[in-house]
Amino acid sequence: SQKIEQNSEALNIQEGKTATLTCNYTNYSPAYLQWYRQDPGRGPVFLLLIRENEKEKRKERLKVTFDTTLKQSLFHITASQPADSATYLCALGMDSSYKLIFGSGTRLLVRP
Amino acid sequence: DTGVSQDPRHKITKRGQNVTFRCDPISEHNRLYWYRQTLGQGPEFLTYFQNEAQLEKSRLLSDRFSAERPKGSFSTLEIQRTEQGDSAMYLCASSFLGNTEAFFGQGTRLTVV
Repeated sequence: SQKIEQNSEALNIQEGKTATLTCNYTNYSPAYLQWYRQDPGRGPVFLLLIRENEKEKRKERLKVTFDTTLKQSLFHITASQPADSATYLCALGMDSSYKLIFGSGTRLLVRP
Repeated sequence: DTGVSQDPRHKITKRGQNVTFRCDPISEHNRLYWYRQTLGQGPEFLTYFQNEAQLEKSRLLSDRFSAERPKGSFSTLEIQRTEQGDSAMYLCASSFLGNTEAFFGQGTRLTVV
C-alpha cells in the first residue's frame, strides 16, 4: 500500500541545535517533494520544494535532501530558534496530478 | 491582505444540516484546491479546479459533497446532510499556473454535533 511516514512523536531540541525531520514514502514515484510549516489553527505555509532530479536544496537556515533510492527526504533547520516550533509537513507531488499528498507531520519543539 | 481567504472560520452545525464554505483565492491564481484535515493528520486532497473547470476529485468526496468555482474566481464547498465524521478543518489553497507551490487559507473548522 502507499504510505508517507513522518515521525509521529514530537522532536524536542535545544535552541541553537540543528533539527532534522524525516519523511519516508512507500509505493510512490513523486516528481517533487515539498515541505510546509503549520502553526496551530492555521493553514500550512510553503517552505521548500525539491525535484526528483535534485539532491539538495537550501534556503537560509533550511536544507532539504531528497533520495529517490531510499525514498526519503530529510529536512534540516540549522541554528534552531524557539520561533521554529511548529508542525512540519512533507508533501509529495506527481506528474500526473496537481494534488499534493501530505504526511501526517512532525511537531518540532525548540527549547530556549 | 492579498492571501487566500476562507469564510467562515468556524461553523457548528447539527447533524443532517447542509453547510457551505467559501474560498477566495489569490486573485491571479488559476488553480484552486480543497483539502480536509483532521486532528493529528496532514491535509487530505478533496478536489481541484483550474479556472472554472473541476479537473480532479478524490474518492473521499462523496455524493454529499459538491464544489463549484463558477467564474474561475471564488469557490464554494457544500456538504449536504452533514455527519459527525465530517467534523474537520476544511482548507482551501491556490497556486499560479506553472507553479506547484500552494498558498493555503486559514481554513474553516467544521464541528457537527
